[in-house]
Amino acid sequence: AAGVIQSPRHLIKEKRETATLKCYPIPRHDTVYWYQQGPGQDPQFLISFYEKMQSDKGSIPDRFSAQQFSDYHSELNMSSLELGDSALYFCASSPALGSYNEQFFGPGTRLTVL
Amino acid sequence: QKEVEQNSGPLSVPEGAIASLNCTYSDRGSQSFFWYRQYSGKSPELIMFIYSNGDKEDGRFTAQLNKASQYVSLLIRDSQPSDSATYLCAVNVGGATNKLIFGTGTLLAVQP
Repeated sequence: AAGVIQSPRHLIKEKRETATLKCYPIPRHDTVYWYQQGPGQDPQFLISFYEKMQSDKGSIPDRFSAQQFSDYHSELNMSSLELGDSALYFCASSPALGSYNEQFFGPGTRLTVL
Repeated sequence: QKEVEQNSGPLSVPEGAIASLNCTYSDRGSQSFFWYRQYSGKSPELIMFIYSNGDKEDGRFTAQLNKASQYVSLLIRDSQPSDSATYLCAVNVGGATNKLIFGTGTLLAVQP
């Protein structure tokens, strides 16, 4: 079965640089969530989209922005990178917006900020 | 107090035994509950989800939910060394948001 695709899988950036992470949800899934997982931490919700509109926003820094495109893929844009942004970034997709829908996680992008 | 609480472990069980993982949550309005398995450096893999009181079984896994006690558990029967991983409990509080709130995870070690 098709899964969530994320690219790139690994990314190394310098402080103050920008990064763009991409997420391709499972086909026919219209809801996308972004989570950040720091070392030894649990995943923290950043932002979500449903039908190309932002549906919720969590602890996402103002330096980060995201959007969902007409083909339902999503991009997380991160600017003025800081050392503390080093983490695993997961995208999850769901077949619909709602409490009773599973969220399936992609393989993640490991971002290292030097 | 964290919204979703789990014992960090490690929980060590012998191969073939039953592993019992527990989770409590603070938001009484929480609507659905998920168990994810995460190997080190990998992404969370959905194992079970439950939203009604009682038990839900899938193969070697049984999820149990008690909303009155705000408690959800995961039982793994016939534990295998390959089950050794961190198990994350996640709660969807519903309403306008459908984000998952995760516990810190329980590290399970199945000893051969």
